[in-house]
Amino acid sequence: NAGVTQTPKFRILKIGQSMTLQCAQDMNHNYMYWYRQDPGMGLKLIYYSVGAGITDKGEVPNGYNVSRSTTEDFPLRLELAAPSQTSVYFCATKGRATSGYTFGSGTRLTVV
Amino acid sequence: GESVGLHLPTLSVQEGDNSIINCAYSNSASDYFIWYKQESGKGPQFIIDIRSNMDKRQGQRVTVLLNKTVKHLSLQIAATQPGDSAVYFCAENRLYRYYGQNFVFGPGTRLSVLP
Repeated sequence: NAGVTQTPKFRILKIGQSMTLQCAQDMNHNYMYWYRQDPGMGLKLIYYSVGAGITDKGEVPNGYNVSRSTTEDFPLRLELAAPSQTSVYFCATKGRATSGYTFGSGTRLTVV
Repeated sequence: GESVGLHLPTLSVQEGDNSIINCAYSNSASDYFIWYKQESGKGPQFIIDIRSNMDKRQGQRVTVLLNKTVKHLSLQIAATQPGDSAVYFCAENRLYRYYGQNFVFGPGTRLSVLP
């Protein structure tokens, strides 16, 4: 039982490049979330999904896009990478009956 | 805007002592709070939660206290161990449009356990 799997663990992008951060879960949780964590700061919500086919913006969605075609996967897309997107990105899930989130181990992204 | 924050960004305690990590919140409508622990290089892990109809909840070596009058939350760790060294976040429940729960996180407190 893998829980929440994020790939890649590390990535360096050049300004203007694009990439997709992958998040997969095997817990059959309906709710999935993408957060970013900047140094010395708390987690900020980028996008979230309450089920397949339903997504919505969080606190800091600009520069990102998501899709949720299946319960298991919730990829985060960066179209035109900017230095301000240098951060650690965490995917999290939550089931209806669970108390808190289950987090992945994170993707550390550097945009240069 | 309304936010969750922490009084102390860093806390150093001697091994075996008790630790108290504080958190202030400003959204009086929040009804559910969670403490997370984040070890270096890992994602946050659930420690303990508390609902607003309670003022205290105990877990294994941890206790969360909620004071709704002053909008204050604290996490107490008994007999602090080296493995407790981490960043601790309090998170406040906030509902979004589709009624999916979202938690607003504070900036965190780094706990360092001294030998």
